[in-house]
Amino acid sequence: EIGMTQSPATLSVSPGERATLSCRASQSVGNKLAWYQRKPGQPPRLLIYGVSTRATGIPARFSGSGSGTDFILTISSLESEDFAVYYCQQYSHYYTFGQGTKLEIK
Amino acid sequence: QVQLVESGGDMVQPGTSLRLSCVASGITFSTSVFHWVRQAPGKGLEWVAVMSTDGSYKGYADSVKGQFTISRDNSKNTLYLQMSSLRAEDTALYYCAKEKAPHDAFDLWGPGTLVTVSS
Repeated sequence: EIGMTQSPATLSVSPGERATLSCRASQSVGNKLAWYQRKPGQPPRLLIYGVSTRATGIPARFSGSGSGTDFILTISSLESEDFAVYYCQQYSHYYTFGQGTKLEIK
Repeated sequence: QVQLVESGGDMVQPGTSLRLSCVASGITFSTSVFHWVRQAPGKGLEWVAVMSTDGSYKGYADSVKGQFTISRDNSKNTLYLQMSSLRAEDTALYYCAKEKAPHDAFDLWGPGTLVTVSS
């Protein structure tokens, strides 16, 4: 099983600032890496797939980068609705999610 | 309206069985790959099972292999998860999710159905 490790567990950032979330795979997943946003009471929402492609309707302030085992989700200028939990997921070999990063208001 | 809606969640005793359903609307069900994903209280997302479009392929997480069975009825636009010998650690919110394309991320999720296993 491919393990996914996200860091930090909690990130405190002020609105308008940049947020950088990390995800590391225990072995290469190629470009089979996605990011999801989850808000309380809602199902996960696909943000990014294929490492860096934004899903339909996702604002340009969300961007993904990385390759192989190390990946980054960047939110360029945080808005109030961006404070949520973010999960990375590999779908290279079966499917594994990271444990999540909670993005909270500083 | 494009949506997935799960049902069948309940509070049950350990050792019992339960079947979850997920009805799809607004999409071409028969050409989509579907998954079950769960989230236990206070924990992260855990992938549970996958089924191919025609049912010829099924995959399971090690934690549920031999205990859960995924199936689908393309004539009813419905995905199922048969859960048996339920344990306290199976307590979770269960989501069904659709793959965006074969071997791709999950672009459509249902609101989830809650399964609680407790004596």
